[in-house]
Amino acid sequence: QAVLTQPPSLSASPGASASLTCTLRSGLDVGSYRIYWYQQKPGSPPQYLLRYLSDSDKGQGSGVPSRFSGFKDPSANAGILLISGLQSEDEADYYCMTWHSNTYVFGPGTKLTVL
Amino acid sequence: EVQLVESGGGLVQPGRSLRLSCAASGFIFDDYAMHWVRQAPGKGLEWVAGLSYNSRTIDYADSVKGRFFISRDSAKRSLFLQMNSLRAEDTALYYCVKLDASALREDAFDIWGQGTMVTVSS
Repeated sequence: QAVLTQPPSLSASPGASASLTCTLRSGLDVGSYRIYWYQQKPGSPPQYLLRYLSDSDKGQGSGVPSRFSGFKDPSANAGILLISGLQSEDEADYYCMTWHSNTYVFGPGTKLTVL
Repeated sequence: EVQLVESGGGLVQPGRSLRLSCAASGFIFDDYAMHWVRQAPGKGLEWVAGLSYNSRTIDYADSVKGRFFISRDSAKRSLFLQMNSLRAEDTALYYCVKLDASALREDAFDIWGQGTMVTVSS
């Protein structure tokens, strides 16, 4: 079973908010993991968005708007990327990443469609 | 401007070798760990290899261990990936990536190059 799972796709309307989930494998506690988020637009390399461990341990990538934020849902054992005030330019693939067993692990990605 | 520019990709037959290069600029190259991350066509991201700022710590994904070798040259401000015994499943876009830390540890991949495509096919 993969360490990180993400839904393949998500659709949302312009101006709305979108919550992208990154679920940790059963047996792993999301509370102990720092989750990193990356955005990748077609034909471009990934761009680092933010990291989140807790409200006291989080960070925003350089130049990343504050409408991108991270938090966790312990009940779902998941990290969440919240995008507020969706814009057409937010349409992209979003990957989560974490550090597990001394290596870097990426989730499979979620394709966000803004329509 | 912070920049990473990869080169060296191309079409290669299975079993052959290829060497990728990455030229860094706009930051103190010697202060940061550097990595290679790949993306197969239409697929997700896979970490391949990384080395610390001083090359003393190196690590590889299990899928490439024993076949790929990462190195860096401070004088040339460059990162390299020697890929041997290439397989069809190594076909991917290879990104040169800067870690926001000096050691091989948890942190953000904060700067990415545009990537260089490697196609392994007969």
